[in-house]
Amino acid sequence: GEDVEQSLFLSVREGDSSVINCTYTDSSSTYLYWYKQEPGAGLQLLTYIFSNMDMKQDQRLTVLLNKKDKHLSLRIADTQTGDSAIYFCAEGHAGGTSYGKLTFGQGTILTVHP
Amino acid sequence: SQTIHQWPATLVQPVGSPLSLECTVEGTSNPNLYWYRQAAGRGLQLLFYSVGIGQISSEVPQNLSASRPQDRQFILSSKKLLLSDSGFYLCAWSPAYSLNYGYTFGSGTRLTVV
Repeated sequence: GEDVEQSLFLSVREGDSSVINCTYTDSSSTYLYWYKQEPGAGLQLLTYIFSNMDMKQDQRLTVLLNKKDKHLSLRIADTQTGDSAIYFCAEGHAGGTSYGKLTFGQGTILTVHP
Repeated sequence: SQTIHQWPATLVQPVGSPLSLECTVEGTSNPNLYWYRQAAGRGLQLLFYSVGIGQISSEVPQNLSASRPQDRQFILSSKKLLLSDSGFYLCAWSPAYSLNYGYTFGSGTRLTVV
């Protein structure tokens, strides 16, 4: 079955770059996502990447996908205290019995120190 | 535009009491609907998903049930709550036949069983 793994904690200083890593096991994953969850709130989609892409950049966010190693990363440039949150990696399939079902990692708690 | 509403935001219920959490989606039709539970602010556990009215798939056998009486309404219920049912419950939707934008989550319900 599908499995998505993330490191549990990351601590950075304000202004530095943050890199959150994720590995997944299902080579047939079509879509890969990054979600952000602030305390007491639902999950907010930050960005996503199709499996036929290597990189996607959106303002301070850069997503890198290494499909061979099944490794996904999210880089946040110039990290701010408002970026402190839990970040979830997720993978999904287009087609088959798993269509529409996402598998989430356990989340990485990002703490940004002033 | 599409919106998802989930209520109540917080709930404190005694052990053995019934539960009803409601989720509605606006601005779309025939969405896929999901109920997740998040324990201790970390990983997401998929409880139920639905691809149509009256169609419910259960991912984890437990004390809870789900129903979809209308196209854009998803209800999570229990006849008798247990202490272990405490957690943060999230409803989500996705378009049928498309994963382009992943899931959109509601703001969550914090359930405390006492």
